[in-house]
Amino acid sequence: DIQMTQSPSTLSASVGDRVTITCRASQSISSWLAWYQQKPGKAPKLLIYKASSLESGVPSRFSGSGSGTEFTLTISSLQPDDFATYYCQQYNSLWTFGQGTKVEIK
Amino acid sequence: QVQLVQSGAEVKKPGASVKVSCKVSGYTLTELSMHWVRQAPGKGLEWMGGFDPEDGETIYAQKFQGRVTMTEDTSTDTAYMELSSLRSEDTAVYYCATGISGDNWFDPWGQGTLVTVSS
Repeated sequence: DIQMTQSPSTLSASVGDRVTITCRASQSISSWLAWYQQKPGKAPKLLIYKASSLESGVPSRFSGSGSGTEFTLTISSLQPDDFATYYCQQYNSLWTFGQGTKVEIK
Repeated sequence: QVQLVQSGAEVKKPGASVKVSCKVSGYTLTELSMHWVRQAPGKGLEWMGGFDPEDGETIYAQKFQGRVTMTEDTSTDTAYMELSSLRSEDTAVYYCATGISGDNWFDPWGQGTLVTVSS
């Protein structure tokens, strides 16, 4: 099974900061990676698919990059609505989620 | 636009089974690849199984094989997930989530169904 490892587990940041979350796969997954945002008590929301394609309606401050085994989600200027938990997901071989990264207010 | 509406919260005793439903609107179930994901309290997302459009079959995560059954009623566009031999560790929010027309990422998701296993 493919394992997905996110870092950091928790990130403290301020409004306006540039934030980067890393996701590493235990083997190559090409570009078969998605990113989701989840707020407490809510279902996850798709942000990015195919590693770098922005889902319709998602603000352009979100971007994804990477291929193979290393991927990043970047928020260019953190907004109050962005404090949430973020998950990566591979869909190259079955489906696996990373353990999540919580973005907290500094 | 696809919408997924799940059944309500359940409380079950250890050893029992639970069946959660997910009603589709906006598309027909045959156009979608339905998956189920769970989230224990304070924990991350865990994929349980779903339809693989490349193989045309429903695949279950190894952890749940033998205990989970995912079915679909195309006449009502409703998907079901049944989990048997429940234990306290199965207490979680269960989500249905779908890929559209062969997409393998999940969008949208249902609102979630809390299943509590307690004696």
